[in-house]
Amino acid sequence: EDQVTQSPEALRLQEGESSSLNCSYTVSGLRGLFWYRQDPGKGPEFLFTLYSAGEEKEKERLKATLTKKESFLHITAPKPEDSATYLCAVQATGRRALTFGSGTRLQVQP
Amino acid sequence: GAGVSQSPRYKVAKRGQDVALRCDPISGHVSLFWYQQALGQGPEFLTYFQNEAQLDKSGLPSDRFFAERPEGSVSTLKIQRTQQEDSAVYLCASSLVRSSYEQYFGPGTRLTVT
Repeated sequence: EDQVTQSPEALRLQEGESSSLNCSYTVSGLRGLFWYRQDPGKGPEFLFTLYSAGEEKEKERLKATLTKKESFLHITAPKPEDSATYLCAVQATGRRALTFGSGTRLQVQP
Repeated sequence: GAGVSQSPRYKVAKRGQDVALRCDPISGHVSLFWYQQALGQGPEFLTYFQNEAQLDKSGLPSDRFFAERPEGSVSTLKIQRTQQEDSAVYLCASSLVRSSYEQYFGPGTRLTVT
């Protein structure tokens, strides 16, 4: 059974204080690992897809990396508008369904 | 361009009532997904359509849950004889088939069963 575990559950940062969110996964065969951002009362917003170990992708202050067992979402010099829940999901080979973790609630204080 | 839309945004049902939730995917997106999200949790997969064909319904929790997409565009998720444990946000997502497989989500329908 595919599993995704995210840590920490919640993270409070000061504006400008860089940090990383962790996503550990077990999957029979990885087709892709996805990061989403979710604001309160809204649906998840797509950020990145990673396909193979060693791959990295960047968008503004966010960088996602992938190993064979985990992914990290690095947040550099965060701003209050980066406050949200960040969700990680895996897609197994041969399936279209995503298996999500419970998310990391990030709060960035000014 | 227009994203995935869902209606209603909020639904309150009395236990035992039937409900129908609607999803309009992004134009041209062949694949459509339904997920259920409990408070403080990540979304959980319910079912998947490619065009009008329901290819995976392994996540539907009981036979009270039924989904359809008769013309390969709009989809409806129906829950019969609602129970309190059905209270959740129901999310719809759509994607292209031959792409990097990312799924784009709608805003969700918050269902509260009283």
